[in-house]
Amino acid sequence: EVQLVESGGGLVQPGGSLRLSCVASGFTFRSYWMHWVRQAPGKGLVWVSCIKNDGTSTSYADSVKGRFTISRDNAKNTLYLQMNSLRVEDTAVYYCVLPWGNWGQGTPVTVSS
Amino acid sequence: EIVLTQSPGTLSLSPGERATLSCRASQSVSSNYLAWYQQKPGRAPRLLISGASSRATGTPDRFSGSGSGTDFTLTISRLEPEDFAVYYCQQYGSSPESFGQGTKLEIK
Repeated sequence: EVQLVESGGGLVQPGGSLRLSCVASGFTFRSYWMHWVRQAPGKGLVWVSCIKNDGTSTSYADSVKGRFTISRDNAKNTLYLQMNSLRVEDTAVYYCVLPWGNWGQGTPVTVSS
Repeated sequence: EIVLTQSPGTLSLSPGERATLSCRASQSVSSNYLAWYQQKPGRAPRLLISGASSRATGTPDRFSGSGSGTDFTLTISRLEPEDFAVYYCQQYGSSPESFGQGTKLEIK
């Protein structure tokens, strides 16, 4: 059974940083592209970033480009999202996704002073 | 970037009725890489349909997807109480992948 377990969310001040993690199990992690998708409170789903199975290619939404960095450790079956220069508008639940049928439970990020 | 527009924003129906949800793309969706999701409060989205018309494992057959190019439809043939939720379409044929704004299906 595929499992994706996110962690690392929390409350941070504007301009601060957080690193999200997603531990994967139940499938061959190193074989798949992985994505992050977020959802602001009461709003819709927004794609954030993705990374190739071997980590050699990444892509970002314009809204996070230059501030967020996606990475992975295939030896640890773990996906990361390093979030710097956080803004109030980054407040959301962040989901780790094995495209597109498997989603984690999400980890909430709140950016507020 | 492909923009997806869902309509209606809210759909009020009764159990047993038929629901028709629309998703229109600003440009053609590559290889009909169009998915539909169901989301209930406090839960992660659940994939219902991929490839515009292929039901995901565990999706009841009252759910069907159709369409191609720029116009797609999710149909629920007879609504069950558990079907009342928010539905999103998504295109994953072009980067950046994009989602529609959602249709809320509520009990009338």
